[in-house]
Amino acid sequence: ILNVEQSPQSLHVQEGDSTNFTCSFPSSNFYALHWYRWETAKSPEALFVMTLNGDEKKKGRISATLNTKEGYSYLYIKGSQPEDSATYLCAPHGTDKLIFGTGTRLQVFP
Amino acid sequence: DAGVTQSPTHLIKTRGQHVTLRCSPISGHKSVSWYQQVLGQGPQFIFQYYEKEERGRGNFPDRFSARQFPNYSSELNVNALLLGDSALYLCASSLRGPLEDTQYFGPGTRLTVL
Repeated sequence: ILNVEQSPQSLHVQEGDSTNFTCSFPSSNFYALHWYRWETAKSPEALFVMTLNGDEKKKGRISATLNTKEGYSYLYIKGSQPEDSATYLCAPHGTDKLIFGTGTRLQVFP
Repeated sequence: DAGVTQSPTHLIKTRGQHVTLRCSPISGHKSVSWYQQVLGQGPQFIFQYYEKEERGRGNFPDRFSARQFPNYSSELNVNALLLGDSALYLCASSLRGPLEDTQYFGPGTRLTVL
Protein backbone atom coordinates (compact mmCIF):
# COMPACT_ATOMS: atom_id res chain seq x y z
CA ILE A 1 0.00 0.00 0.00
CA LEU A 2 1.59 3.27 -1.06
CA ASN A 3 -1.06 5.91 -1.59
CA VAL A 4 -3.65 6.67 1.03
CA GLU A 5 -5.93 9.58 0.20
CA GLN A 6 -8.37 11.24 2.50
CA SER A 7 -11.02 13.71 1.45
CA PRO A 8 -11.95 16.35 2.04
CA GLN A 9 -8.77 17.84 3.48
CA SER A 10 -10.83 20.04 5.81
CA LEU A 11 -14.45 20.54 6.67
CA HIS A 12 -16.38 23.19 8.59
CA VAL A 13 -19.89 22.28 9.74
CA GLN A 14 -22.51 23.64 12.10
CA GLU A 15 -23.41 21.87 15.31
CA GLY A 16 -26.07 19.28 14.58
CA ASP A 17 -25.00 18.66 10.97
CA SER A 18 -24.10 15.15 9.92
CA THR A 19 -20.93 14.66 7.94
CA ASN A 20 -18.80 12.01 6.32
CA PHE A 21 -15.22 11.60 5.11
CA THR A 22 -13.56 9.23 2.68
CA CYS A 23 -10.38 7.19 2.89
CA SER A 24 -9.12 5.64 -0.37
CA PHE A 25 -6.34 3.09 -0.62
CA PRO A 26 -5.04 0.51 -3.09
CA SER A 27 -6.98 -2.69 -2.48
CA SER A 28 -4.05 -5.06 -3.06
CA ASN A 29 -2.11 -6.33 -0.03
CA PHE A 30 -4.74 -5.04 2.36
CA TYR A 31 -5.01 -6.56 5.82
CA ALA A 32 -6.75 -4.05 8.11
CA LEU A 33 -7.86 -0.43 8.34
CA HIS A 34 -7.55 1.81 11.38
CA TRP A 35 -9.41 5.08 12.02
CA TYR A 36 -8.07 7.56 14.57
CA ARG A 37 -9.27 10.87 15.95
CA TRP A 38 -6.55 13.37 16.82
CA GLU A 39 -7.45 16.43 18.83
CA THR A 40 -5.00 19.30 19.08
CA ALA A 41 -2.47 18.86 21.92
CA LYS A 42 -3.64 15.30 22.61
CA SER A 43 -2.60 11.81 21.50
CA PRO A 44 -4.28 10.14 18.52
CA GLU A 45 -7.24 8.14 19.80
CA ALA A 46 -8.21 4.86 18.16
CA LEU A 47 -11.77 4.76 16.84
CA PHE A 48 -12.01 1.53 14.83
CA VAL A 49 -9.98 -1.36 13.49
CA MET A 50 -11.70 -2.98 10.51
CA THR A 51 -10.63 -6.03 8.56
CA LEU A 52 -13.49 -7.56 6.59
CA ASN A 53 -15.07 -6.35 3.36
CA GLY A 54 -18.46 -4.94 4.23
CA ASP A 55 -17.49 -4.37 7.86
CA GLU A 56 -19.49 -1.71 9.66
CA LYS A 57 -18.53 -0.39 13.08
CA LYS A 58 -20.21 2.10 15.37
CA LYS A 59 -19.16 4.05 18.44
CA GLY A 60 -21.81 6.46 19.68
CA ARG A 61 -22.54 8.95 16.92
CA ILE A 62 -19.55 7.83 14.83
CA SER A 63 -19.69 4.92 12.41
CA ALA A 64 -17.49 3.54 9.64
CA THR A 65 -17.83 1.22 6.68
CA LEU A 66 -15.19 -0.67 4.74
CA ASN A 67 -15.01 -1.81 1.11
CA THR A 68 -11.78 -3.74 0.59
CA LYS A 69 -12.56 -4.74 -3.01
CA GLU A 70 -12.72 -1.16 -4.26
CA GLY A 71 -10.35 0.23 -1.63
CA TYR A 72 -12.30 2.76 0.40
CA SER A 73 -13.72 3.42 3.83
CA TYR A 74 -16.25 6.01 4.94
CA LEU A 75 -16.43 7.61 8.38
CA TYR A 76 -19.77 9.16 9.36
CA ILE A 77 -20.54 11.51 12.23
CA LYS A 78 -24.21 11.99 13.03
CA GLY A 79 -25.29 15.26 14.65
CA SER A 80 -21.80 16.80 14.93
CA GLN A 81 -20.89 18.48 18.21
CA PRO A 82 -18.10 21.03 18.88
CA GLU A 83 -16.20 18.32 20.79
CA ASP A 84 -15.99 16.32 17.53
CA SER A 85 -13.58 18.96 16.19
CA ALA A 86 -10.36 17.10 15.44
CA THR A 87 -8.31 15.61 12.62
CA TYR A 88 -9.55 12.19 11.54
CA LEU A 89 -6.86 9.87 10.23
CA CYS A 90 -7.25 6.59 8.41
CA ALA A 91 -4.43 4.05 8.17
CA PRO A 92 -4.63 0.87 6.11
CA HIS A 93 -2.26 -1.92 7.10
CA GLY A 94 -0.43 -3.61 4.24
CA THR A 95 1.93 -6.56 4.49
CA ASP A 96 4.20 -5.02 7.07
CA LYS A 97 3.05 -1.61 8.32
CA LEU A 98 0.38 1.01 8.78
CA ILE A 99 0.33 3.81 6.21
CA PHE A 100 -1.42 6.94 7.44
CA GLY A 101 -3.33 9.37 5.29
CA THR A 102 -2.90 13.11 5.84
CA GLY A 103 -6.26 13.31 7.58
CA THR A 104 -9.49 15.27 7.38
CA ARG A 105 -9.59 18.27 9.68
CA LEU A 106 -13.11 18.78 11.03
CA GLN A 107 -14.28 21.96 12.75
CA VAL A 108 -17.75 22.05 14.25
CA PHE A 109 -19.12 25.51 15.04
CA PRO A 110 -21.73 26.01 17.78
CA ASP B 1 -4.13 2.09 34.40
CA ALA B 2 -1.49 4.42 33.03
CA GLY B 3 -1.53 4.99 29.30
CA VAL B 4 1.47 5.03 27.01
CA THR B 5 4.12 7.37 28.35
CA GLN B 6 6.95 9.03 26.46
CA SER B 7 9.95 11.02 27.56
CA PRO B 8 11.06 13.68 27.20
CA THR B 9 8.10 15.75 26.02
CA HIS B 10 10.26 18.31 24.27
CA LEU B 11 13.86 18.26 23.14
CA ILE B 12 16.13 20.71 21.35
CA LYS B 13 19.30 19.42 19.70
CA THR B 14 21.79 20.71 17.16
CA ARG B 15 22.75 19.15 13.86
CA GLY B 16 25.10 16.20 14.18
CA GLN B 17 24.06 15.33 17.71
CA HIS B 18 22.48 12.10 18.85
CA VAL B 19 19.11 11.69 20.58
CA THR B 20 17.37 8.92 22.54
CA LEU B 21 13.61 8.91 22.96
CA ARG B 22 11.86 6.61 25.40
CA CYS B 23 8.48 4.92 25.50
CA SER B 24 6.69 2.85 28.13
CA PRO B 25 3.74 0.83 26.80
CA ILE B 26 0.47 0.10 28.54
CA SER B 27 0.91 -2.72 31.05
CA GLY B 28 0.43 -6.06 29.30
CA HIS B 29 1.14 -4.72 25.81
CA LYS B 30 4.02 -6.48 24.10
CA SER B 31 4.18 -4.47 20.86
CA VAL B 32 5.59 -0.98 20.47
CA SER B 33 5.61 1.04 17.25
CA TRP B 34 7.36 4.33 16.51
CA TYR B 35 6.11 7.02 14.14
CA GLN B 36 7.41 10.36 12.92
CA GLN B 37 4.90 13.12 12.25
CA VAL B 38 5.80 16.35 10.48
CA LEU B 39 3.37 19.22 10.13
CA GLY B 40 0.73 18.70 7.48
CA GLN B 41 1.33 14.98 7.11
CA GLY B 42 0.08 11.84 8.75
CA PRO B 43 2.39 9.86 11.04
CA GLN B 44 5.05 7.87 9.17
CA PHE B 45 5.96 4.40 10.38
CA ILE B 46 9.55 3.99 11.61
CA PHE B 47 9.73 0.69 13.55
CA GLN B 48 7.62 -1.96 15.19
CA TYR B 49 8.85 -4.28 17.94
CA TYR B 50 7.09 -7.30 19.38
CA GLU B 51 8.50 -9.42 22.18
CA LYS B 52 11.84 -7.62 21.82
CA GLU B 53 12.18 -8.51 18.12
CA GLU B 54 11.99 -6.05 15.26
CA ARG B 55 8.87 -6.88 13.32
CA GLY B 56 8.84 -4.05 10.80
CA ARG B 57 10.89 -1.13 9.58
CA GLY B 58 9.81 1.89 7.58
CA ASN B 59 11.77 3.82 4.95
CA PHE B 60 14.13 5.62 7.28
CA PRO B 61 17.94 5.81 7.05
CA ASP B 62 20.24 3.70 9.21
CA ARG B 63 20.73 6.71 11.48
CA PHE B 64 17.45 5.60 13.04
CA SER B 65 17.56 2.59 15.32
CA ALA B 66 15.42 1.20 18.10
CA ARG B 67 15.22 -1.56 20.62
CA GLN B 68 12.75 -3.09 23.03
CA PHE B 69 13.65 -4.15 26.53
CA PRO B 70 12.51 -7.19 28.57
CA ASN B 71 9.90 -5.01 30.31
CA TYR B 72 8.58 -4.07 26.80
CA SER B 73 9.63 -0.43 27.06
CA SER B 74 11.41 0.89 24.01
CA GLU B 75 14.02 3.42 22.91
CA LEU B 76 14.32 5.18 19.58
CA ASN B 77 17.80 6.44 18.74
CA VAL B 78 18.67 8.92 16.03
CA ASN B 79 22.31 9.62 15.18
CA ALA B 80 23.85 12.50 13.25
CA LEU B 81 20.74 14.64 13.51
CA LEU B 82 19.64 16.66 10.50
CA LEU B 83 17.34 19.68 10.40
CA GLY B 84 14.78 17.48 8.65
CA ASP B 85 14.55 15.20 11.70
CA SER B 86 12.61 17.93 13.50
CA ALA B 87 9.21 16.38 14.10
CA LEU B 88 6.81 14.91 16.62
CA TYR B 89 7.82 11.34 17.46
CA LEU B 90 4.95 9.15 18.53
CA CYS B 91 5.05 5.81 20.24
CA ALA B 92 2.09 3.42 20.17
CA SER B 93 1.54 0.17 22.03
CA SER B 94 -0.77 -2.76 21.41
CA LEU B 95 -1.18 -6.31 22.66
CA ARG B 96 0.32 -8.01 19.61
CA GLY B 97 0.65 -5.42 16.87
CA PRO B 98 -1.34 -3.01 14.67
CA LEU B 99 -2.28 -5.75 12.23
CA GLU B 100 -4.35 -7.48 14.88
CA ASP B 101 -5.10 -4.95 17.58
CA THR B 102 -6.01 -1.40 18.46
CA GLN B 103 -2.99 0.83 18.98
CA TYR B 104 -2.79 3.30 21.85
CA PHE B 105 -0.63 6.35 21.29
CA GLY B 106 1.49 8.27 23.74
CA PRO B 107 1.63 12.08 23.87
CA GLY B 108 4.74 12.23 21.71
CA THR B 109 8.17 13.82 21.94
CA ARG B 110 8.60 17.09 20.06
CA LEU B 111 12.16 17.15 18.68
CA THR B 112 13.61 20.37 17.32
CA VAL B 113 16.96 20.24 15.52
CA LEU B 114 18.75 23.58 15.12
